[in-house]
Amino acid sequence: GIQVEQSPPDLILQEGANSTLRCNFSDSVNNLQWFHQNPWGQLINLFYIPSGTKQNGRLSATTVATERYSLLYISSSQTTDSGVYFCAVTPYSSASKIIFGSGTRLSIRP
Amino acid sequence: SAVISQKPSRDICQRGTSLTIQCQVDSQVTMMFWYRQQPGQSLTLIATANQGSEATYESGFVIDKFPISRPNLTFSTLTVSNMSPEDSSIYLCSVPPGGSYNEQFFGPGTRLTVL
Repeated sequence: GIQVEQSPPDLILQEGANSTLRCNFSDSVNNLQWFHQNPWGQLINLFYIPSGTKQNGRLSATTVATERYSLLYISSSQTTDSGVYFCAVTPYSSASKIIFGSGTRLSIRP
Repeated sequence: SAVISQKPSRDICQRGTSLTIQCQVDSQVTMMFWYRQQPGQSLTLIATANQGSEATYESGFVIDKFPISRPNLTFSTLTVSNMSPEDSSIYLCSVPPGGSYNEQFFGPGTRLTVL
């Protein structure tokens, strides 16, 4: 099956810093989503981005489907950005099923 | 988008017992999914709940352990049967309200601890 790898696994930053999270996938996909899981376990939709670039405030994402990767950029980090960021893909071979990466645990220190 | 609720939000159970988790969506959806997230791990798909037919289980998950019901297009239940401490996890349901291959939204999760 498809492999979804995220890097780095852990990231510790000071408030105000910028960061780039990466998601690599091993096969063609129908779509790709980025989620933020807050400390209470809630999964928050950040981006639905099968290709191209999107921006939402301090966050932006780029997916290059032909090269099988996606990047999530966080600028001017705040402590509320802490949590785990997941990339999830739907392979062409699996209708609607989404496969999650292992996540990047981000800790923002004041 | 979709508004998804789950009950209970958390529970502490004794080994050998069963717990049924409910998932309610504010709109009709064809497919609903159940995921498990073990402590410190990523999410793993348990099964796809189809209205009017039996659920489709992923490798490593069986109906006897995780029976699923889907009585209508807005509701589903997942039962965790004969629980052991290894079943301690967050259980989440999700839906793609726009149809297959579209963006998916997740419920708030049920945090289960088995003693």
